[in-house]
Amino acid sequence: EPEVTQTPSHQVTQMGQEVILRCVPISNHLYFYWYRQILGQKVEFLVSFYNNEISEKSEIFDDQFSVERPDGSNFTLKIRSTKLEDSAMYFCASEDRFPYEQYFGPGTRLTVT
Amino acid sequence: KQEVTQIPAALSVPEGENLVLNCSFTDSAIYNLQWFRQDPGKGLTSLLLIQSSQREQTSGRLNASLDKSSGRSTLYIAASQPGDSATYLCAVRVGDGSEKLVFGKGTKLTVNP
Repeated sequence: EPEVTQTPSHQVTQMGQEVILRCVPISNHLYFYWYRQILGQKVEFLVSFYNNEISEKSEIFDDQFSVERPDGSNFTLKIRSTKLEDSAMYFCASEDRFPYEQYFGPGTRLTVT
Repeated sequence: KQEVTQIPAALSVPEGENLVLNCSFTDSAIYNLQWFRQDPGKGLTSLLLIQSSQREQTSGRLNASLDKSSGRSTLYIAASQPGDSATYLCAVRVGDGSEKLVFGKGTKLTVNP
């Protein structure tokens, strides 16, 4: 069964460093998402991406964040200058058209020290 | 602003028991609702998707119902097993053209052998 994959599974970085989280969505899907989950808190929407552009973003998704689909298979989330509060599990998700069911990857645990 | 609440926060039951998990949302104008399973430190596995026009969906021992007008959904698990132990998350896709999912905090289920 097709699945969303994410790399790395765990990333440790120092405050102020740039990180890139990578995702390979399900191959025929059209819509792509990033969510995050701070330990003990709800899963929160960050950004959605369709037709090579951002279609929606949350208040969390400020100028420090960017997304890209550099080729036909990868979808990346870049954090330019990481802060301690960026420590969280980051989930990538993808979906096809109707019924618009989102499929999530296993997540990347980002630890900022 | 859509808010999703899940009660109870934690539930412990003996193996074989039937159980119900509850989800409520503040704005009834939703597009669909998904139930997910999350194992510790892992990603989200989609269990069931209910469109706003549907009343229920079934998959094996799982049955999810939706009462959009009252802002409620329930997940019924029949004949629970220790392998069902996980956190169950409810998420609504807000209507009005938005693509994002808004999550509840989840119910942590423990099924004791």
